[in-house]
Amino acid sequence: DIQMTQSPSTLSASVGDRVTITCRASQSISSWLAWYQQKPGKAPNLLIYKASSLESGVPSRFSGSGSGTEFTLTISSLLPDDFATYYCQQFDSWPLTFGQGTNVEIK
Amino acid sequence: EVQLVESGGGVVKPGGSLRLSCAASGFTLSSYSMNWVRQAPGKGLEWVSSISRSSSDKHYADSVKGRFTISRDNAEKSLFLQMNSLRAEDTAVYFCARKPADGGENYYYYMDVWGKGTTVTVSS
Repeated sequence: DIQMTQSPSTLSASVGDRVTITCRASQSISSWLAWYQQKPGKAPNLLIYKASSLESGVPSRFSGSGSGTEFTLTISSLLPDDFATYYCQQFDSWPLTFGQGTNVEIK
Repeated sequence: EVQLVESGGGVVKPGGSLRLSCAASGFTLSSYSMNWVRQAPGKGLEWVSSISRSSSDKHYADSVKGRFTISRDNAEKSLFLQMNSLRAEDTAVYFCARKPADGGENYYYYMDVWGKGTTVTVSS
C-alpha cells in the first residue's frame, strides 16, 4: 500500500498568511494526487486534482504542485473561510489512500 | 443540482449488519464510477470501497474485504454498501462520493462530489 504522509499535522496561521502543506508518498505516484478541504461536521470538498489542476469553482488562492513523491498545497493569502482540515489522496493504485490530515487553525 | 444523499446508518451490535444507500440526483449515475469513504470519530478519511460504472470492477480496503459488499442500481440511481459482521472499529460517518468522468470507468479515482454522510455506530 502507498502511505501518504502530510506535514505539518497542525498549522497555526493568521489571515493573510501564505500557507504551504506538504504531502509525501511512500513511492512514486506520478501526478495522481488530489487535495480536499474539510470543515467540522461537513463532507470533504475537492480543491485540486492531478496534483495541480484547480477544481472548478475553487478560488485561485489555492494551488497545488509536485510530482513523484512530494507534493504541496499552497494557499496564497489565508482567508477566515480557509481554516479547516486538508487531506491529500493518491489515486495511482489500489488501495486508495489519504494523508492523515493537516489542521489549519487560527494563530 | 448534483447531489448525493446517504441513508441507512444507525446503531447496531457487534456482529450485526447494515445496508447503506446513496441516492444520486442531478446527474446520470450510470455514467460515473462511485466510492464509499468513511471517517471514524475525530479521525481522518479512510477509503472503503469503489465500483465502476458498469459494476464490472469492485475494490475494497483490506479492513472490510469479505465483510462489506458494494453494489449499484443505475436504473434506481442508487449506490449501496452491505455491511456484515460489523465491528466496533467500523463506527464512522460513511460518505458516498462520485469519481469524475475524467479517466473513463477505471482510472483517476479521486472524488469530485460527496454526500453529507450517514453515521454508523457499532456498540453493544
